[in-house]
Amino acid sequence: DIVLTQSPGTLSSSPGERATLPCRASQSVSNNYLAWYQQKPGQAPRLLIYGASSRATGIPHRFSGSGSGTDFTLTIDRLEPEDFAVYYCQQYGSSPITFGQGTRLEIK
Amino acid sequence: QVQLQESGPGLVKPSETLSLLCTVSGYSIRSAYYWGWIRQSPGKGLEWIGTIYHSGTTYHNPSLQSRVTISVDTSKNQFSLKLSSVTAADTAVYYCARALQNIFDYWGQGTLVTVSS
Repeated sequence: DIVLTQSPGTLSSSPGERATLPCRASQSVSNNYLAWYQQKPGQAPRLLIYGASSRATGIPHRFSGSGSGTDFTLTIDRLEPEDFAVYYCQQYGSSPITFGQGTRLEIK
Repeated sequence: QVQLQESGPGLVKPSETLSLLCTVSGYSIRSAYYWGWIRQSPGKGLEWIGTIYHSGTTYHNPSLQSRVTISVDTSKNQFSLKLSSVTAADTAVYYCARALQNIFDYWGQGTLVTVSS
């Protein structure tokens, strides 16, 4: 199984700043099939990014994804109050599909 | 608008079978998407359980494969999950979701299932 490591587990930032969230895979993710999700308390995850860098429908341009192989990054520019949540990466290039443990983005 | 809704018992006894139903509205389950189950527990985070196509073709997580049955009822626009021989480790919030190439773009709200006697 591909293990996805998201470190740090918690990231503190302020509104208006840029946040960079890393996701490292234990082996290369096939075709860069890497997605990012946002989850708020009591809600289901919400798809943000797929294919490492493609934004899902309706996702603001301040969210961007990058990376390839084993190292991927979710970047959030000009943080809005509603962006403080937990973010998960997911690889879907190999079976079984796996998720990272998540990074909590909290207000500094 | 695509909506998914999980339903089923919130409490299951150890060794019994967990059964959940996902009802899809706003989209025909016969169309070109897969339909999946994912669970989330404090100890294991998000875990993919399995995925099904309207034809009945299924894919399962090998870690659960021997205990999982996923089926689809296109006439009711529903798909279901059965997980047998449950233990406390199966306590989690269970989500159903729509999937294209295993990207989950629409999710249900989730349902908490507790395994306890």
